Amino acid sequence: AQRVTQPEKLLSVFKGAPVELKCNYSYSGSPELFWYVQYSRQRLQLLLRHISRESIKGFTADLNKGETSFHLKKPFAQEEDSAMYYCALRNQAGTALIFGKGTTLSVSS
Amino acid sequence: NAGVTQTPKFRVLKTGQSMTLLCAQDMNHEYMYWYRQDPGMGLRLIHYSVGEGTTAKGEVPDGYNVSRLKKQNFLLGLESAAPSQTSVYFCASTESGAHTGELFFGEGSRLTVL
Repeated sequence: AQRVTQPEKLLSVFKGAPVELKCNYSYSGSPELFWYVQYSRQRLQLLLRHISRESIKGFTADLNKGETSFHLKKPFAQEEDSAMYYCALRNQAGTALIFGKGTTLSVSS
Repeated sequence: NAGVTQTPKFRVLKTGQSMTLLCAQDMNHEYMYWYRQDPGMGLRLIHYSVGEGTTAKGEVPDGYNVSRLKKQNFLLGLESAAPSQTSVYFCASTESGAHTGELFFGEGSRLTVL
């Protein structure tokens, strides 16, 4: 079965604190994983994808096949990081993305 | 470029009424999608299309129909609306093949069924 699990509905941190948004997946074969972000009053947009191994806005995510995880991390949270974050998995057919339930990140000063 | 445009942005329906949501994209994308977003449920795929004239079911297709008569448009229909279909609907599109990871989303359409 293909599934994405984001165990936290809400994550609240203080500005400057480290952030880790958890994502676990279930997939047969080599998964392709993504993080999407939805800022207040903005469209849902791609943040990063695991195959690019990039850092966007200070966020990184490493695919851990042993733990079937793709956690999103940032060493020092900023208030502008407050948003809804979705982890997504490309389906087996390669035609669509399966999204998790999302985690709301709230960064306060 | 407008990107992905959804109409209408807001709509209130009574149970049993029908309506159509229109999604238009100007990026010449092959693939188009309809998702619904509900609190605590995340984004769930309703239907999608991998090209003009094609459609396929997603995770939660019941109660919805779709059509892709033109490449740039993807219509989502509710024949007999139910309160359980109260949601925010998002359309998205992407190029085919290796680009299917980057979806471009519309602003969303908030539908309330009374």
